[in-house]
Amino acid sequence: DQQVKQNSPSLSVQEGRISILNCDYTNSMFDYFLWYKKYPAEGPTFLISISSIKDKNEDGRFTVFLNKSAKHLSLHIVPSQPGDSAVYFCAASSNTGNQFYFGTGTSLTVIP
Amino acid sequence: EAGVTQSPTHLIKTRGQQVTLRCSPISGHTSVYWYQQALGLGLQFLLWYDEGEERNRGNFPPRFSGRQFPNYSSELNVNALELEDSALYLCASSFLTFYGEQFFGPGTRLTVL
Repeated sequence: DQQVKQNSPSLSVQEGRISILNCDYTNSMFDYFLWYKKYPAEGPTFLISISSIKDKNEDGRFTVFLNKSAKHLSLHIVPSQPGDSAVYFCAASSNTGNQFYFGTGTSLTVIP
Repeated sequence: EAGVTQSPTHLIKTRGQQVTLRCSPISGHTSVYWYQQALGLGLQFLLWYDEGEERNRGNFPPRFSGRQFPNYSSELNVNALELEDSALYLCASSFLTFYGEQFFGPGTRLTVL
C-alpha cells in the first residue's frame, strides 16, 4: 500500500529552466512533508520540508508547494543546475504516526 | 560533526544465511531508523529505535530484527536470507522523533545469491 506516490520516475530539464517534481499522497492524516535528494552511492540528504499549516515554503532555489485538498505537493527548483541531477524522494508523516512514508523517487537530470 | 556511518558498505550472502548490519548515529541523536530500498522501490520503513527501545516496525517479517545499544548505535539482523532481501539498507538518525529531519548514512548494499 503506497501511501506516497511519485508517478514520474524520471525528468529531464535544461540548465537554467524550472524543474517541477510532483508527489501525491493518500492519507489525509499526513501533516508533515519532506523532500530528500540522493546522489549515487550516498544516503539521501534533506532538502526542504513543509507542515500542513502552510501551503508554501521556500529555501533559496527550492520551493515546496502543498495542496492539501488535492493531497499533492510539488518541489520547484529554479533555476536548475547540473549539480541538481539526483534522485528526489518525497516523504510524509503525521503527528499521530511514528514513521515516514517515502515515495519511489524521481530521477532528475539537468542538461547543461 | 561526523555523519551517520554504516558498515559494511557491501555484502554478498547466500540464501538461508544470516547477516548483521551496523549503524552509528550522529552524536546526540537518540533515534535510529532502518529502511530498505529494493530496486525500483522507494524507501520502505523497517524499524525505529529510540533510547534503546524498539518503537515501531514496518511491514516486514520477524526475521528482520535489530537492537539499539546504550551508545545509540544500532544493528539490523536479517535471518534466513531470501533473494528478495537484496537491497540497499539505509540507516538514519534524528534528534526530534519523526518531526524533524532524518540524517541518512550511505547505506549497506546487500546481495543475496
